[in-house]
Amino acid sequence: GAVVSQHPSWVICKSGTSVKIECRSLDFQATTMFWYRQFPKQSLMLMATSNEGSKATYEQGVEKDKFLINHASLTLSTLTVTSAHPEDSSFYICSYALQSNEQFFGPGTRLTVL
Amino acid sequence: AQSVTQPDIHITVSEGASLELRCNYSYGATPYLFWYVQSPGQGLQLLLKYFSGDTLVQGIKGFEAEFKRSQSSFNLRKPSVHWSDAAEYFCAVGGNNFNKFYFGSGTKLNVKP
Repeated sequence: GAVVSQHPSWVICKSGTSVKIECRSLDFQATTMFWYRQFPKQSLMLMATSNEGSKATYEQGVEKDKFLINHASLTLSTLTVTSAHPEDSSFYICSYALQSNEQFFGPGTRLTVL
Repeated sequence: AQSVTQPDIHITVSEGASLELRCNYSYGATPYLFWYVQSPGQGLQLLLKYFSGDTLVQGIKGFEAEFKRSQSSFNLRKPSVHWSDAAEYFCAVGGNNFNKFYFGSGTKLNVKP
């Protein structure tokens, strides 16, 4: 149980284009979810916390207009990287908080911006 | 401030040898502690977690971890390492109110044949 999927698993795009990453909880529903990113050889850094039906809360230094989060249902959230640039190339991981003290992570999406 | 420190960036052990990965945390409330393993290009796999109770917790793949409140530590151990254990290991701490997780910087484990 508690399976989270992400799509796509790998995407390459040209600089200036937008990319949408989906995160789904497959066998449970959850109100709260998180988006992280991980640069090569680094740890996971939280980008934003999102509650279904509400605006996401972004961490300091994360541009909300660049990383658009849509969390319209209890099982689906999307992260759109707008006008992507090579410095946005990273591994993006989502997670759902099924319980108040635990998160279940997706397999990640590798974004490469050329 | 909330933080997790993994002091060892790289560790190399021989196959069959024992392993201990260190994790120290700073958290202003009751900590909920986790160890994850990540293979290259892959997502996180939960090895074990500590919420309360017995301070020695058992996880998957023969791993265990011990919570020591007095030392603010949650070290991961395995008595005999297998070549397939080579990966990156992350310690994380969270709270009890849908709080965000804080991750350590990770420890990359290499296993010598």
